[in-house]
Amino acid sequence: DAGVTQSPTHLIKTRGQQVTLRCSPKSGHDTVSWYQQALGQGPQFIFQYYEEEERQRGNFPDRFSGHQFPNYSSELNVNALLLGDSALYLCASSPTGFTEAFFGQGTRLTVV
Amino acid sequence: TQLLEQSPQFLSIQEGENLTVYCNSSSVFSSLQWYRQEPGEGPVLLVTVVTGGEVKKLKRLTFQFGDARKDSSLHITAAQPGDTGLYLCAGTYNNNDMRFGAGTRLTVKP
Repeated sequence: DAGVTQSPTHLIKTRGQQVTLRCSPKSGHDTVSWYQQALGQGPQFIFQYYEEEERQRGNFPDRFSGHQFPNYSSELNVNALLLGDSALYLCASSPTGFTEAFFGQGTRLTVV
Repeated sequence: TQLLEQSPQFLSIQEGENLTVYCNSSSVFSSLQWYRQEPGEGPVLLVTVVTGGEVKKLKRLTFQFGDARKDSSLHITAAQPGDTGLYLCAGTYNNNDMRFGAGTRLTVKP
């Protein structure tokens, strides 16, 4: 049983560009959450998708958007990248009724 | 902004010592999770606690959930170098909104 998988593992982008990160949830999980983790910090909640809709959102600007597909996989899009967007982006999946979440290995985004 | 406060932020101890790390919030959680994270990897779930006053043991790790479900502690007995890592607590609100603390970075020296 594959766990949560994220792609790509590493990415370097230039300031002002756009980026798309991808996540496949653990089998049987229908809820996907995205987190941003800056160096030395705990993960910060970006948003959560359930039934292809954004259900919860953290304190992130509209430059951060997402999508969930019918197979429950998800994408995180970030427009107009800033240097401060450099971080580890984590995807977590959980089953309906959510009591705990399982994480992927993350995507390390570097904005130069 | 972290809604959960973890302490201490850093902890460096010798192999064989015991330690306790804490997670506190002013909010009531529906559940609380503890994760361990290695550099460059995603957090790995250690335990979920749901009931106020609940105590769970995982080998040398003991997790306790406060009676009011606003705080938790993780106690490690006879720490080993393999316990080194970032320990994160995460509180779940309304069964679908999970927020993390900043973590406790533990180093166990051989």
